[in-house]
Amino acid sequence: DQQVKQNSPSLSVQEGRISILNCDYTNSMFDYFLWYKKYPAEGPTFLISISSIKDKNEDGRFTVFLNKSAKHLSLHIVPSQPGDSAVYFCAALMDSNYQLIWGAGTKLIIKP
Amino acid sequence: NAGVMQNPRHLVRRRGQEARLRCSPMKGHSHVYWYRQLPEEGLKFMVYLQKENIIDESGMPKERFSAEFPKEGPSILRIQQVVRGDSAAYFCASRPGVSSPLHFGNGTRLTVT
Repeated sequence: DQQVKQNSPSLSVQEGRISILNCDYTNSMFDYFLWYKKYPAEGPTFLISISSIKDKNEDGRFTVFLNKSAKHLSLHIVPSQPGDSAVYFCAALMDSNYQLIWGAGTKLIIKP
Repeated sequence: NAGVMQNPRHLVRRRGQEARLRCSPMKGHSHVYWYRQLPEEGLKFMVYLQKENIIDESGMPKERFSAEFPKEGPSILRIQQVVRGDSAAYFCASRPGVSSPLHFGNGTRLTVT
């Protein structure tokens, strides 16, 4: 049973435009969400996170939106740059549990 | 401050051999996690350790796999009698406390021939 789902295996976006990566979850007990970025042959790198008490968190070009009623979060990258081409993982956490539950990832390709 | 260091980066083993994967967490980090990533899949939790203690090994196969994080030295993930299905990327992550984001190493890619 996949508790965290990233339904798009890949996404292609023109350089300079907005990239929107989506993530859905099923467990209403999750209260903290994280996005990680991964280049080939490297480990995941922490990007941005959001607590369930917020609906938006922004850091530079990256913004994460959380819709608790829909159990949905999204990562917006504006403007998209070639270096953003990577696999993006969504992960969720319950405060009482240290285990991160991961989505399968979305491969983002930024076209020049 | 060096990041999480994993070695070797690539490891090739024949079926039946043992694989030892090492992880040195970031300085000041006492919480270590091991994850496995199979092709086309996300990361799967294997084990959570603190110094000299296994806190949670619920994600680790019951047989052939073991992990330790001794008082001195790196954390070790050990796979005995490897099989082809063990071929995967194994990532180690650390953090100073449970409320902090995880910092990952670059992984060890195990290939079983």
